[in-house]
Amino acid sequence: AQSVSQHNHHVILSEAASLELGCNYSYGGTVNLFWYVQYPGQHLQLLLKYFSGDPLVKGIKGFEAEFIKSKFSFNLRKPSVQWSDTAEYFCAVMGGGSQGNLIFGKGTKLSVKP
Amino acid sequence: GAGVSQSPSNKVTEKGKDVELRCDPISGHTALYWYRQSLGQGLEFLIYFQGNSAPDKSGLPSDRFSAERTGGSVSTLTIQRTQQEDSAVYLCASSLATSGTGELFFGEGSRLTVL
Repeated sequence: AQSVSQHNHHVILSEAASLELGCNYSYGGTVNLFWYVQYPGQHLQLLLKYFSGDPLVKGIKGFEAEFIKSKFSFNLRKPSVQWSDTAEYFCAVMGGGSQGNLIFGKGTKLSVKP
Repeated sequence: GAGVSQSPSNKVTEKGKDVELRCDPISGHTALYWYRQSLGQGLEFLIYFQGNSAPDKSGLPSDRFSAERTGGSVSTLTIQRTQQEDSAVYLCASSLATSGTGELFFGEGSRLTVL
């Protein structure tokens, strides 16, 4: 069965600090990988996704993530965070070619101090 | 509609009562998902529909939970004899299943409080 682990429950950073949120997944085959973000009071929205090709994917608002197959990881990064990045971030995995279940991690809450 | 619509946005009920939560997906989206979001638990998968059928019901926590979808559109999640541990935000999402992207578009959720 697929599973997703997000290592950090709550990350607190100052503005302009660099960000890296860890995500590891458990699945034997090809995977589609996602990061979703939930800003305070808003619904979940897609930040970025990986299906195939270049393992470094870029998303909205300066975020990027790198798929490292050998480590089963898909860490989210941003060189310089802003106060507006305060949100909860969810990593998710779907087995490649599957139209079914998208499994989410438990989420990482990011608080950025102005 | 423009986005995924869920109702009610908030529901407070007494233990033992039945509740129905409704989801209206984006027009044309054939796949529909229900998740439960509890504090510290992330998003817990409940059930997934492809059209009107549910290939994966593995996440339903107990036989008190059921869901249906009619006309390939609106879905209803029903919780019978609610318990306090059912208190959570119930999220619905839809996607263009044929796209293979797996990108889900989420509604605002229905917050359920069981007293």
